[in-house]
Amino acid sequence: EIVLTQSPATLSLSPGERATLSCRASQSVSSYLAWYQQKPGQAPRLLIYDASNRATGIPARFSGSGSGTDFTLTISSLEPEDFAVYYCQQRYSGKTFGQGTKVEIK
Amino acid sequence: EVQLVESGGGLVPPGGSLRLSCAASGFTLSTNWMSWVRQTPGKGLEWVANIKQDGSDKYYVDSVKGRFTISRDNAENSLYLQMNSLRVEDSAVYYCAREAAVTGWFDPWGQGTLVTVSS
Repeated sequence: EIVLTQSPATLSLSPGERATLSCRASQSVSSYLAWYQQKPGQAPRLLIYDASNRATGIPARFSGSGSGTDFTLTISSLEPEDFAVYYCQQRYSGKTFGQGTKVEIK
Repeated sequence: EVQLVESGGGLVPPGGSLRLSCAASGFTLSTNWMSWVRQTPGKGLEWVANIKQDGSDKYYVDSVKGRFTISRDNAENSLYLQMNSLRVEDSAVYYCAREAAVTGWFDPWGQGTLVTVSS
């Protein structure tokens, strides 16, 4: 099973700051990686797919990069609605998720 | 608007059974693979099972093989998960999710239904 490790577990930032989230795979997943956002009491929402493509309706401040085993989700300037938990997921072999990074207000 | 609405969750004793349903609207169910994904505070998000557009192929995570059965009724635009021999560790919020036709990723997800396995 491919294990995805996200870091940090929690990121404390202020609105307007840049957020950089990491996801590392235990083996290569090529570009078969997505990022989801989950707010309290809500289902996850697809943000980025195939490592770097924004899903429909996702603002340009969200960007993804990486391939192989190392991936990054960047939020260029945090808006109040961006404080949430972010998960990465791979579908290169099976389907597994990372444990999440919580972006909280500092 | 594409929408998925789960139902059927509840409290069940260990060894019991439960059938979850997912009603799809805003799109034609028969065009997509569909999945069930569960979430617990301890284990996080875990993909459980998926099913091909016509129901001919089904896949499961090892921990539920032989106990859970995924099915669909495209005429009714509905997805199902029959859960038998339930264990305490099956307690979770269960989401149905569409696997997008072009990208293959989970988009969108339903709001989830809570399953609690406890005596």
